[in-house]
Amino acid sequence: GAVVSQHPSWVICKSGTSVKIECRSLDFQATTMFWYRQFPKQSLMLMATSNEGSKATYEQGVEKDKFLINHASLTLSTLTVTSAHPEDSSFYICSAWTGLTEAFFGQGTRLTVV
Amino acid sequence: ELKVEQNPLFLSMQEGKNYTIYCNYSTTSDRLYWYRQDPGKSLESLFVLLSNGAVKQEGRLMASLDTKARLSTLHITAAVHDLSATYFCAVDGDAGGTSYGKLTFGQGTILTVHP
Repeated sequence: GAVVSQHPSWVICKSGTSVKIECRSLDFQATTMFWYRQFPKQSLMLMATSNEGSKATYEQGVEKDKFLINHASLTLSTLTVTSAHPEDSSFYICSAWTGLTEAFFGQGTRLTVV
Repeated sequence: ELKVEQNPLFLSMQEGKNYTIYCNYSTTSDRLYWYRQDPGKSLESLFVLLSNGAVKQEGRLMASLDTKARLSTLHITAAVHDLSATYFCAVDGDAGGTSYGKLTFGQGTILTVHP
C-alpha cells in the first residue's frame, strides 16, 4: 500500500507554546489529506479536511484559529496546534487520499502538553 | 449527520472460539473499511469493502458488506491471542456519501482473547 509518514511520533510541549505536525505522502500525490484526533480509549474524530492549495475545511466544533492546517504541496500537509493547553493532549493522526479506493494513515503523533 | 455504530464495544473471547462484530451505519455509502489498532499505535488497514455483497477474508478474519441493510460484519474464526486489539469500522463519505476519503468511525470494539 501507499506510505504516509507523520512526524514527530511524539512530542511534549509546555502550555502556551505551539507545535507543528507534518504529514507526508511518500510515494503518491495527495490532493486531499485529513486530520483526526483520538482521545484515550475513544474513537477517531475528524478535525479537518486539507486540500492542496486551498483553505482547510474544519468540522463543527474545531477551532480553526487554534488548529492551523497548511497543505502547501501535493505531498505535505501540516497541522499546527497553537497556544497548546493540557486539554489539547491527544493522539493526532493524518490520512492521505489516493484518489482511488482508500486513504492511508500516518503513524500518528502523541501530543502531551504540560 | 452520518452515524456509525459498532457492537459489541467490548468482546472477551476464548481462544478457538468464533464471534462476529457488527457495524451499522446511517447513510447510503458503499465504501466501508475495517481497521485494527494496537495500543499506542496508528491504524492498520484490514479490509476495504467497495460494493454490496463484498466479502473478503484474511487469515482468521472475514468481512462482509450489505449496503442495503447498511451493515458490515467482521467475523473472527478460531480466535488466537494475537488478535487482541481494538477494531474499528469506518464509512467513507459524508451524509450525502460524496466525500471520498473522509471517514466516519464506529466507536471501536476492544477484543481480548484469553487462553
